Parts: sequence; structure tokens; C-alpha cells
Amino acid sequence: DAGVIQSPRHEVTEMGQEVTLRCKPISGHDYLFWYRQTMMRGLELLIYFNNNVPIDDSGMPEDRFSAKMPNASFSTLKIQPSEPRDSAVYFCASSSSPGQDSNQPQHFGDGTRLSIL
Amino acid sequence: KQEVTQIPAALSVPEGENLVLNCSFTDSAIYNLQWFRQDPGKGLTSLLLIQSSQREQTSGRLNASLDKSSGRSTLYIAASQPGDSATYLCKAGTALIFGKGTTLSVSS
Repeated sequence: DAGVIQSPRHEVTEMGQEVTLRCKPISGHDYLFWYRQTMMRGLELLIYFNNNVPIDDSGMPEDRFSAKMPNASFSTLKIQPSEPRDSAVYFCASSSSPGQDSNQPQHFGDGTRLSIL
Repeated sequence: KQEVTQIPAALSVPEGENLVLNCSFTDSAIYNLQWFRQDPGKGLTSLLLIQSSQREQTSGRLNASLDKSSGRSTLYIAASQPGDSATYLCKAGTALIFGKGTTLSVSS
């Protein structure tokens, strides 16, 4: 079975540009998570969706960040305008549960390594 | 707010050694705790998930324990191999918060 698929794998762009990261969750999973990983802060939850609806976006750092899930098989994380401090690895994960009170694990994509110059 | 700490941040051991990785959390009201492995340039792979009602879980050479009252979990790796070299992260289930991980290097 295909796992969580993220694109692009690498993105290098200049500050001020719009960046769009994409994620295809595992079919049948109704929870989707976006994380950001940096050396300084580790892995941080940005937002998660249940049945395409955003449930908790308290981790989204600024209004420059936005996430959408137009259907069960696709989600985007957009940064506009991008800044050098946004450079990080962004992971998408999916699960058939929120991981809080179930025995269903999260499945992660391989991430998008974002560099803002 | 839940805080998850992993000690040590890095560990180097020779092949064949048994080792323990530690994870501590501040809020004991968790439903589960999950251990992951992350290889360089890759995402996270789930290793073991312990429900709050459980004390431990085992998978092959891996054994994870959970002590909610003390806010601790340990991941025990028996007879370590070079292929075990990776970063190991724990996640406290309630708030989906991860520790920063322990980077393990096993030399042959």
C-alpha cells in the first residue's frame, strides 16, 4: 500500500515568495497532521484535520501560514510570504485516529525540506 | 502544557550492547505514548505504542515501558546492531507533543 506522499521533497526559494507544500494521506485515514521539524525546536504540530475539517490550528506560527484540505485525499500547507526562519523540514502524517485515545499509530511522509534564502 | 524530554540527546555504543533510551513527560494524563524511529532524510516510523492501561510493549529486540505516575517511558534495545542507528523520538499522546529525540549510533 502507498504511504503518505508529500511533494516536493525539496524546495529552495527566495524570501517573499509563496510556497505550497502538498500531501496525500493514506486512503481511509480520516486524520491528517502537518508538522515542522527544526534542530532547535524539534518536531512541532502545526495543524490537524479530521474529515477535512481543521480541528486544532494553534500551532500555526503566523497568519503567513495557511492549510487546507479540500478533499479526503489531498492537503496543502501554504506560506505567503515566506521568510528565512521558515526553513525547516515539513512533515505530513495521517492516522485513522487522533493518536490521543486509540491504538492506531500515525504514518508519516518523508517530508519536504524547505530552504528560504 | 505538556513537555516531553528525551535524555540523552545522543548516544554511541558498540555493536551488541544493550541500551536504554529515556523519555519523560510532565502531564501524566496521557492516553498513550508512542516511540518512533527516524532515519536521516526520512519521516518517522512507528515502533511501539503503549496504551495508558499498559505497562509495556515488546516487538522483537525492542521493549518499551510506561510509568505514568512518574512521567517516564523507556525504550530498551537488546543486542544493538549498526542498523539500529537512527534518531528515536517519543510522543506523548494527549497533546501530540514529541520529544526532540535521541540520536543513536551503533558501531560495528
